[in-house]
Amino acid sequence: NAGVTQTPKFRVLKTGQSMTLLCAQDMNHEYMYWYRQDPGMGLRLIHYSVGEGTTAKGEVPDGYNVSRLKKQNFLLGLESAAPSQTSVYFCASRTRDSEAFFGQGTRLTVV
Amino acid sequence: ILNVEQSPQSLHVQEGDSTNFTCSFPSSNFYALHWYRWETAKSPEALFVMTLNGDEKKKGRISATLNTKEGYSYLYIKGSQPEDSATYLCALGRVYNNDMRFGAGTRLTVKP
Repeated sequence: NAGVTQTPKFRVLKTGQSMTLLCAQDMNHEYMYWYRQDPGMGLRLIHYSVGEGTTAKGEVPDGYNVSRLKKQNFLLGLESAAPSQTSVYFCASRTRDSEAFFGQGTRLTVV
Repeated sequence: ILNVEQSPQSLHVQEGDSTNFTCSFPSSNFYALHWYRWETAKSPEALFVMTLNGDEKKKGRISATLNTKEGYSYLYIKGSQPEDSATYLCALGRVYNNDMRFGAGTRLTVKP
């Protein structure tokens, strides 16, 4: 049972480049979340989804887009990366009443 | 603005000390309060999910209480051990939004 898997684990981007982070879960969870972790700020919610085909904005959505075409996958896109998007990104999934299960994180550096 | 506040920001205790931290949250639209333990270089792992006012949960030396009317939860660690050193996060789940927003965490260091 893989749980929540994030791809890639590390990435270095140049300013202005685009990329997509993939989150895949095999627990049939309805809810999926993307967070970014910055020093002293805990986990800040970027976007989330409560089911296939649905997405919603979190606390810090600017500069990011998401899609959930399949229930098990939640994609986070950066269309034009900026140095301010250097961070560690975590994906999580859960059912409405369960705890959240997290991926291993993606360390992104934008130079 | 939805603010989940945690205090203190950091805490240093000696092995064997008991300690507690606070999570404060707006009580409107409350659905659930989560506690997670987050070790350096790892992913957060769930400790408790609490939904009812007055809930008390326990796992080994760690326990938590919930007051949804006044909007706070306490996490207690009895007889702290060095392996308890981690950041402890709380997160609020809301009724209509189904989002899950975290506080900034309390970083606990237990000295042998």
